[in-house]
Amino acid sequence: AQTVTQSQPEMSVQEAETVTLSCTYDTSENNYYLFWYKQPPSRQMILVIRQEAYKQQNATENRFSVNFQKAAKSFSLKISDSQLGDTAMYFCAFMKHGGAQKLVFGQGTRLTINP
Amino acid sequence: GAGVSQSPSNKVTEKGKDVELRCDPISGHTALYWYRQSLGQGLEFLIYFQGNSAPDKSGLPSDRFSAERTGGSVSTLTIQRTQQEDSAVYLCASSVRAPLQESLYFGPGTRLLVL
Repeated sequence: AQTVTQSQPEMSVQEAETVTLSCTYDTSENNYYLFWYKQPPSRQMILVIRQEAYKQQNATENRFSVNFQKAAKSFSLKISDSQLGDTAMYFCAFMKHGGAQKLVFGQGTRLTINP
Repeated sequence: GAGVSQSPSNKVTEKGKDVELRCDPISGHTALYWYRQSLGQGLEFLIYFQGNSAPDKSGLPSDRFSAERTGGSVSTLTIQRTQQEDSAVYLCASSVRAPLQESLYFGPGTRLLVL
């Protein structure tokens, strides 16, 4: 079974700073997807970024980028020039390729951006 | 376009009562999921529907939980004889089942409180 671990329950940074959220996972699969989701107080889960395991190039979406280390099974999220609206819970998630599209989630990191 | 919607947004019920939670997925999305998020926890997979295939019910915690999806669109999650440990946010998500397009779109959730 796959497991996802987020070792930072809470983080806090000043606006405009860069912050990195950690995520490690355990799997015997070779083909899979990794995701970062944002959950603001509204509770709606919002996809931030995703990475296909077969791609060596790290995914980027504007201020959000990942550092994907397949051998180390690590998938960290970097938020550059952080904004107050980035305040939310962030969940790392794993899904194996093919078959049922079950996402396995980490426990989440509560990120607070301070003015 | 419209996203995934869920109703009610909040539900308070007494222990032992039955509750029904509704999910309207994005039009055209053939895959639909239910997840449960307990306080301070990550998301726990409950059930998955894909087109006309038999649902994957492997995440349902007990036989008090059931779900159906009518006409390949709207889904209802039913919890019978609710218990206090059922209190959680129930999230629905949908996706288009296509190669490499496996991002999930989540609804805002239903917060269930069992007294």
